[in-house]
Amino acid sequence: AQSVTQPDIHITVSEGASLELRCNYSYGATPYLFWYVQSPGQGLQLLLKYFSGDTLVQGIKGFEAEFKRSQSSFNLRKPSVHWSDAAEYFCAVGVQAGTALIFGKGTTLSVSS
Amino acid sequence: DADVTQTPRNRITKTGKRIMLECSQTKGHDRMYWYRQDPGLGLRLIYYSFDVKDINKGEISDGYSVSRQAQAKFSLSLESAIPNQTALYFCATSDLVTGELFFGEGSRLTVL
Repeated sequence: AQSVTQPDIHITVSEGASLELRCNYSYGATPYLFWYVQSPGQGLQLLLKYFSGDTLVQGIKGFEAEFKRSQSSFNLRKPSVHWSDAAEYFCAVGVQAGTALIFGKGTTLSVSS
Repeated sequence: DADVTQTPRNRITKTGKRIMLECSQTKGHDRMYWYRQDPGLGLRLIYYSFDVKDINKGEISDGYSVSRQAQAKFSLSLESAIPNQTALYFCATSDLVTGELFFGEGSRLTVL
């Protein structure tokens, strides 16, 4: 069965510093990969997705992620974090388009000034 | 207006009561989902529907039932609510090309 692991439950980053959130998945083939963000009291917003092509994908709000097949990873990065990036981030995996996504347990990002 | 609309947004109820959470969408997607979010557990799949006649159980379907009244409507019911069903519930639809899920704003349910 597919699974998603987000090893970091909570990360604190200084404003202006770089950010990397880790995501590892378990699946035999190349999955559909997603990062969603949930601001406090809000719903889920898609940051970026990967299902084929260039393994470095650009998303909204200055985020990017890189798919590494050899490491079964899809880590999320941002070069300079803003206070408004404080939120919970979820990595998700799908085995094909139109199927239910499996979500990781989330990483909470705090931004210090 | 939102593409995926959930009602109610907040509900407080008592143990043993029947509760229905409703979801409607204007995305035109055939596939719809109900997820439950609990702190530290991420989102877990309750039920999903690939079309009006195709309904499937997810990871945590016990204690829940669903109804797909039309392509655009997918309701989640708790026949006899219990306190450990207190959670944030999300309805979603999916794009058949990209696999992206489109979420509603969520329904926060508290069972006392």
